[in-house]
Amino acid sequence: QSALTQPPSASGSPGQSVTISCTGTSSDVGGYNYVSWYQQHPGKAPKLMIYEVSKRPSGVPDRFSGSKSGNTASLTVSGLQAEDEADYYCSSYAGSNIGVFGGGTKLTFL
Amino acid sequence: QLQLQESGPGLVKPSETLSLTCSVSGGSISSDSYYWGWIRQPPGKGLEWIGGIYYSGSTDYNPSLKSRVTMSVDTSKNQFSLKLNSVTAADTAVYYCAGLRWDDWYFDLWGRGTLVTVSS
Repeated sequence: QSALTQPPSASGSPGQSVTISCTGTSSDVGGYNYVSWYQQHPGKAPKLMIYEVSKRPSGVPDRFSGSKSGNTASLTVSGLQAEDEADYYCSSYAGSNIGVFGGGTKLTFL
Repeated sequence: QLQLQESGPGLVKPSETLSLTCSVSGGSISSDSYYWGWIRQPPGKGLEWIGGIYYSGSTDYNPSLKSRVTMSVDTSKNQFSLKLNSVTAADTAVYYCAGLRWDDWYFDLWGRGTLVTVSS
């Protein structure tokens, strides 16, 4: 299966909102509501931020939200804060116990 | 609280076999909630799902790596393992073990990762 498509970079000013897209196919993103998003700071392991398209694990600020339309999922970060600067990866179930990740998006401040 | 820790050689020669082990602590690997996975990240690049294994020993592999990957589980030691044969420089990466909630397909447990370099 091919990697999901994410923009390489995204940026915003502190306090603003930024949306990161994740495009797949009907065999992964479009076919299942099993899209998750991970935040990764340099030198650290990824951290789960969103699962099942729009659910937030305990401890993740409600500034992070997720959605999906067709074959494209999106992560929105509202009220950008300094600690939100990181790489973000989407992931989707692709059937037959196979998973796929996106290429990653680097979120930076303007 | 479950925790994961990768271990294994940090340097592997080309054409040889990469072997890593993930130790699960704070709970049992024989959990009905988790599916145990390996993910890798080449330097400066994105994440790649390698495959996963249930505590029963049932495995699933990324089709692009399937011919070279073998995963196993040792419930007596609370560990699961990865073997990747015929490695090349392209297999140089940080390798993460992770716990996936199989019913909703998301990773909520991650090891710290271990860098494996393929070089002679």
